[in-house]
Amino acid sequence: DADVTQTPRNRITKTGKRIMLECSQTKGHDRMYWYRQDPGLGLQLIYYSFDVKDINKGEISDGYSVSRQAQAKFSLSLESAIPNQTALYFCATSDLAEVLWCQETQYFGPGTRLLVL
Amino acid sequence: GQNIDQPTEMTATEGAIVQINCTYQTSGFNGLFWYQQHAGEAPTFLSYNVLDGLEEKGRFSSFLSRSKGYSYLLLKELQMKDSASYLCAVRTGGGNKLTFGTGTQLKVEL
Repeated sequence: DADVTQTPRNRITKTGKRIMLECSQTKGHDRMYWYRQDPGLGLQLIYYSFDVKDINKGEISDGYSVSRQAQAKFSLSLESAIPNQTALYFCATSDLAEVLWCQETQYFGPGTRLLVL
Repeated sequence: GQNIDQPTEMTATEGAIVQINCTYQTSGFNGLFWYQQHAGEAPTFLSYNVLDGLEEKGRFSSFLSRSKGYSYLLLKELQMKDSASYLCAVRTGGGNKLTFGTGTQLKVEL
C-alpha cells in the first residue's frame, strides 16, 4: 500500500462548486503540506500543517481552506471553484524527527488532477 | 523574495553523463533538494545538500556551493527511464518550507 494516498485521483467540477481533496498517510509523519502544480510553473505551497492544531498559509492560499482532522489526514477545500484553479494538486508529508539531522525530506502523494469548467 | 533558475529542457544520449544546473537567490538558506518527476506522477526524492560539496548516491550525484548559490545534479550512465523532469528545491529559514524551481525536462535518446 502507498504511504501517502490522495482521493480523488481525477476530478471535473464546475465553476462555483465546493470540492474537497483528501490526503491520508500511513508514514506516521507529523507534518503535511498541500501544493499545486501548473504547467511551466514550479510546485507552489498552498497550506501546511506541523501538527493537528497547527495550520499555516503558504504562498497561494487565497480561495483555498484546509482541515487537519487527525495526524494522518489533511484535506484541502476549494470553497467556490474557478477555472484558474485547474491544476495538479499534491499532498506531501515530512517527519519532524528528521530535523535532528537537518534533512526532513518531503514525500509526495500521487496527485489529484482537477479540472474546473 | 526567492528565485530559483533551472534550464527548461535538456537532451542527452543513453549511456552518457548529464549535468543539470540550479542557481538560487534566496533570503536565508537551509538546504537544497533534488526531486525526479515523471509526467503526471509524484515528485520522488533524489538527493539533499546542506553543506558545500558533492553527495554521491549510485548513478546520481549532487553538488552544492552555498557561496555561489549554485547546485548541480549529475546523472551518469543515462538510461531511457531517466527521462523525466528534475526539480530543484531550496529550503529557507525554519519550518521546512520549500521553494521549487520550474524543473528541467530531461529527454534521454538512443
